[in-house]
Amino acid sequence: SQTIHQWPATLVQPVGSPLSLECTVEGTSNPNLYWYRQAAGRGLQLLFYSVGIGQISSEVPQNLSASRPQDRQFILSSKKLLLSDSGFYLCAWSESAREQFFGPGTRLTVL
Amino acid sequence: GIQVEQSPPDLILQEGANSTLRCNFSDSVNNLQWFHQNPWGQLINLFYIPSGTKQNGRLSATTVATERYSLLYISSSQTTDSGVYFCAVGPGSGYALNFGKGTSLLVTP
Repeated sequence: SQTIHQWPATLVQPVGSPLSLECTVEGTSNPNLYWYRQAAGRGLQLLFYSVGIGQISSEVPQNLSASRPQDRQFILSSKKLLLSDSGFYLCAWSESAREQFFGPGTRLTVL
Repeated sequence: GIQVEQSPPDLILQEGANSTLRCNFSDSVNNLQWFHQNPWGQLINLFYIPSGTKQNGRLSATTVATERYSLLYISSSQTTDSGVYFCAVGPGSGYALNFGKGTSLLVTP
C-alpha cells in the first residue's frame, strides 16, 4: 500500500532564514505530487504540483519554490522566510488527476 | 477557479444525532472529495465521489453533478466524529483541488 511521509512535523524559523520541507511517497510510481498550505481560518490553497521529475507548476506567486529531484520526492523551499509564510504545509499525491491522499503535514511558525 | 461553498460553517450535535453537510460548487468537476481533518491536522479521506452515492459505515455521500452539489450524511454521531469536514473539487481539466472553508463539527457526550 502507498504511504506518504513529511518532515519535519513542526518547525520554528526566524524571518529571513531558509526553508526546506520534504515529502516522500512509497508504494507507487510516477505519482502526481502536490504542496498545499493551510493558513489560520481553515482553507487550503494549492501552491505547487508536479506530474513528473523536474516538472513543477506553480499555482500562486509567492516567496516559495518547489523541486522534484526524484520520482517520489517533493521538496518545498524558500531562500528567505517571511512572517506570512507561517502555516500548515501539506503534501499530497495522486495517480493522474484522481483522488488525492495527504501526508501528516508540517506546522511552520516564522518569528 | 471553481468556487466551493460549504454549509453550515459550524455545527454542534449531541452524541447519537444525525447531520447533513452540504457542498455547493460553481462549475463542472471531475473530482470531488470529502475529508475529515482530525485535531492533529491530518486530512482523512472519506469519499472520492465526483458523482453518485457511496456509503461507508455511518457515513454516506451523494453528489448530484448536474446540479453542482454534494451532501455528506453522518448518522448516529460519536464524539470521535468531531473535527472539520472539507469538501474539495477538481475542475474538468487540471489538477488543483479547490477546498471549501469547511464545516466545524463538535459532538458532545
